[in-house]
Amino acid sequence: NAGVTQTPKFRVLKTGQSMTLLCAQDMNHEYMYWYRQDPGMGLRLIHYSVGEGTTAKGEVPDGYNVSRLKKQNFLLGLESAAPSQTSVYFCASSVGGVGQFFGPGTRLTVL
Amino acid sequence: KQEVTQIPAALSVPEGENLVLNCSFTDSAIYNLQWFRQDPGKGLTSLLLIQSSQREQTSGRLNASLDKSSGRSTLYIAASQPGDSATYLCAVTRDNYGQNFVFGPGTRLSVLP
Repeated sequence: NAGVTQTPKFRVLKTGQSMTLLCAQDMNHEYMYWYRQDPGMGLRLIHYSVGEGTTAKGEVPDGYNVSRLKKQNFLLGLESAAPSQTSVYFCASSVGGVGQFFGPGTRLTVL
Repeated sequence: KQEVTQIPAALSVPEGENLVLNCSFTDSAIYNLQWFRQDPGKGLTSLLLIQSSQREQTSGRLNASLDKSSGRSTLYIAASQPGDSATYLCAVTRDNYGQNFVFGPGTRLSVLP
């Protein structure tokens, strides 16, 4: 099992550009999450999904959109990137919220 | 609003020493607490999960305890090794759905050979 994988690992964007981060899990988990990790701020939840076709806002959802068209995939989109979105993004998945499994992260820089 | 703090923010110990990392949370109505390890530039690896009805969990040299009433958890690492050097984070959730996971800022541990 690959667990939770994230694509890409690194990305540099210019302000105003758009991009999509892909998260995939092969553990048949119902729940999936997107976090951002910033120095001094810890991990903060952006959006989450409790099942295929469902999404919900977390603590810091502004500027991001998500989709969960397939159970194994959870996409995070930035429509118009801003320097404040420079961060490390982590995807995680879980079964019934009992313990989370994390991906390796995507380091995003917005110039 | 649930807040999670971890003390100390950083810790440096010589190899072989036993050590304790602390995690505190403000709302005792938690469903479970999870300890993670994060290596530089990497994702989080789950170490131990303690359900709210449990008092402790053990895995190898690691032992995590939970005192819900006082809003505290400790992670005990026995006979520390340089390979234990990493940042350790705790996280709590108040329900079975995971969306309310709240993370602490972490303790950065350095084990010196």
